[in-house]
Amino acid sequence: EPEVTQTPSHQVTQMGQEVILRCVPISNHLYFYWYRQILGQKVEFLVSFYNNEISEKSEIFDDQFSVERPDGSNFTLKIRSTKLEDSAMYFCASSEARISNEKLFFGSGTQLSVL
Amino acid sequence: DAKTTQPNSMESNEEEPVHLPCNHSTISGTDYIHWYRQLPSQGPEYVIHGLTSNVNNRMASLAIAEDRKSSTLILHRATLRDAAVYYCILRGPGAGSYQLTFGKGTKLSVIP
Repeated sequence: EPEVTQTPSHQVTQMGQEVILRCVPISNHLYFYWYRQILGQKVEFLVSFYNNEISEKSEIFDDQFSVERPDGSNFTLKIRSTKLEDSAMYFCASSEARISNEKLFFGSGTQLSVL
Repeated sequence: DAKTTQPNSMESNEEEPVHLPCNHSTISGTDYIHWYRQLPSQGPEYVIHGLTSNVNNRMASLAIAEDRKSSTLILHRATLRDAAVYYCILRGPGAGSYQLTFGKGTKLSVIP
């Protein structure tokens, strides 16, 4: 079965540094998402992306965050200046469409630790 | 926005059926009921979804009440690999968003 792949699986960074988390969505999918999960808490929606534009974002997704599809296969999440509270598991997801009965496929996540 | 209510945790014996309940009394007519699960240290995984009729797939069955105010995810024979957090999520206009909004879910423990 096709899958969403995320790299790296673990990322350690110093506070204030920029990080880029990478994802390869399923090849025929058109909608891409980032979610995050702080240890012990709920999975939270960050942003959705379609046709090279952000289609929806949450309050968490502030000016420190950006997303990009730099080529035909990768989808990236950049955090410009990391804070301690950005430490979390970040999940990428993709779907064929953005409708109520469409299912999302999630990657295994990148564990980001900000020191 | 319509919300879901699930028990915090449930236990099941291995190879026994498991019924995971979800209440969604304020669901609107066009909201789909989705179930995802999250195994330890993994990303969420799609399980099943439905609108009005009961649904079956290779992973599970979804039984939807006639008034759609509740639903039940049925795992026919629990295995140790089914130990996970199960999320019941509404998607559609009545849910306030087309995005998946995860709650706390039900943590299922499977006893060997």
